[in-house]
Amino acid sequence: GAGVSQSPSNKVTEKGKDVELRCDPISGHTALYWYRQSLGQGLEFLIYFQGNSAPDKSGLPSDRFSAERTGGSVSTLTIQRTQQEDSAVYLCASSPGLARSNEQFFGPGTRLTVL
Amino acid sequence: AQSVTQLDSQVPVFEEAPVELRCNYSSSVSVYLFWYVQYPNQGLQLLLKYLSGSTLVKGINGFEAEFNKSQTSFHLRKPSVHISDTAEYFCAVSAPSGNTPLVFGKGTRLSVIA
Repeated sequence: GAGVSQSPSNKVTEKGKDVELRCDPISGHTALYWYRQSLGQGLEFLIYFQGNSAPDKSGLPSDRFSAERTGGSVSTLTIQRTQQEDSAVYLCASSPGLARSNEQFFGPGTRLTVL
Repeated sequence: AQSVTQLDSQVPVFEEAPVELRCNYSSSVSVYLFWYVQYPNQGLQLLLKYLSGSTLVKGINGFEAEFNKSQTSFHLRKPSVHISDTAEYFCAVSAPSGNTPLVFGKGTRLSVIA
C-alpha cells in the first residue's frame, strides 16, 4: 500500500519568507510525527499528533514553528520568517497507534534550503 | 530523559566481512529499541525493533541485534555485508508504549568496500 508521502521534496526559500511543508500519513494511522534532520544536530523530534488529543509541541525550537493536522490525516508544518539555521531535511512519520508497539513509518522528507 | 550514543560515526568494512554497529542508551525506565537504515536521499526504513521478550532480534536484510539490559546496549550485527548495505544507520529509543517520540543517536555511516 501507499507509504507516507511528503511535499515538496525540495524547497529553496529566501531568509525571512514563510514556508509550508506537507505530510500525508499512511491511511488509518492515528499518530503523526515531525522530525528534523540536520548536519549538526542529527535527528530531532519536533511535534507529534495522536488522534484528537492536543499535540505534543515540546520539540519545536521556536515560536516560528507551528503545525496542524486537519481531519486527523494530512499535516502541515509551517515555518515563519525562515532563518538559515532552519535549513535541514524535515521528516514526517506515522504510526498505527498500537499500545504495544511504537513502529514509525517515515516519509522521504522535504529538503529545505534557506538562502 | 532518554539518550542514545552511537559510538562510531563511520565504519568502513570490506564486502562479505562481518560488521557490528554499536549503540548504547540511557534511560531510567524500560525502553523500546529500534534500528533504522537510511539510504542516500531516502527516508528511514525500519530494520528491526526490540519491544520485549527474546533479547536477540532478527530483522530484514540479514541484520540482527541483541538487547543487553545490564550493559544498556543494542548493537547491530550482520555476518556478511554487501555493497548494497552502504547507508546511514540510526539507533533509536522510546518509552515502552505506543505513540511516543523516538530519540535517535547521531548515526553511523557504514561504507562497504569491494
